[in-house]
Amino acid sequence: EVQLVESGGGLVQPGRSLRLSCVASGFSFDDYAMHWVRQVPGKGLEWVSGISWNSDTIDYADSVKGRFTISRDNAKSSLYLEMSSLRVEDTALYYCAKDSHYGDYQSTGFDYWGQGTLVTVSS
Amino acid sequence: DIQMTQSPSSLSASVGDRVTIACRASQRITGLNWYQQKAGKAPKLLIDAEFRLQRGVPSRFSGRGSEADFTLTISSLQPEDFATYYCQQSHTSPWTFGQGTKVEIK
Repeated sequence: EVQLVESGGGLVQPGRSLRLSCVASGFSFDDYAMHWVRQVPGKGLEWVSGISWNSDTIDYADSVKGRFTISRDNAKSSLYLEMSSLRVEDTALYYCAKDSHYGDYQSTGFDYWGQGTLVTVSS
Repeated sequence: DIQMTQSPSSLSASVGDRVTIACRASQRITGLNWYQQKAGKAPKLLIDAEFRLQRGVPSRFSGRGSEADFTLTISSLQPEDFATYYCQQSHTSPWTFGQGTKVEIK
């Protein structure tokens, strides 16, 4: 059974940093691209960042470029999101998601999602 | 960036109704996915590549379309189908989503 478990969310002041983690199990983690998607409570979905299986391709939404850093450790089946210079508008539930496309950095949809970790940016 | 626009934003329907949700891309795309999200839950991939049903998804769900216009149809709405539905393009990054369509009970 595929499982994605996020952690690291919490309350943080504007301008501070936070690191999210996602531990994967139940599939060959190093065969698939992974993504972070966020959702403001009660609002829609926003793709944040993606990373290829071998970390060669890394991608960000314009809204977080230069402030967020995605990374992965295939030996630990783990995905990370380092968030710095946080803003109030970064407040959201952050989901880790597996791409359904095998191999290179193309996408055919996100077929497994974690339950999310809530990040609240407030003074 | 490719903009995805869904219509309607919400709809009310009864069990047994046929429901269609539209999704329009701001340019021609290949790769359109549909997700279902129930309250308090993570999104679930229903359909990828415009029409390919994911394993375990009931056959009352279907997707069609091409170029920039796509639809998701539920042929006979069931109680468990009341949820919010999102389209997403997987043509090119950033992998943008539509704003969602909330399907409510009439």
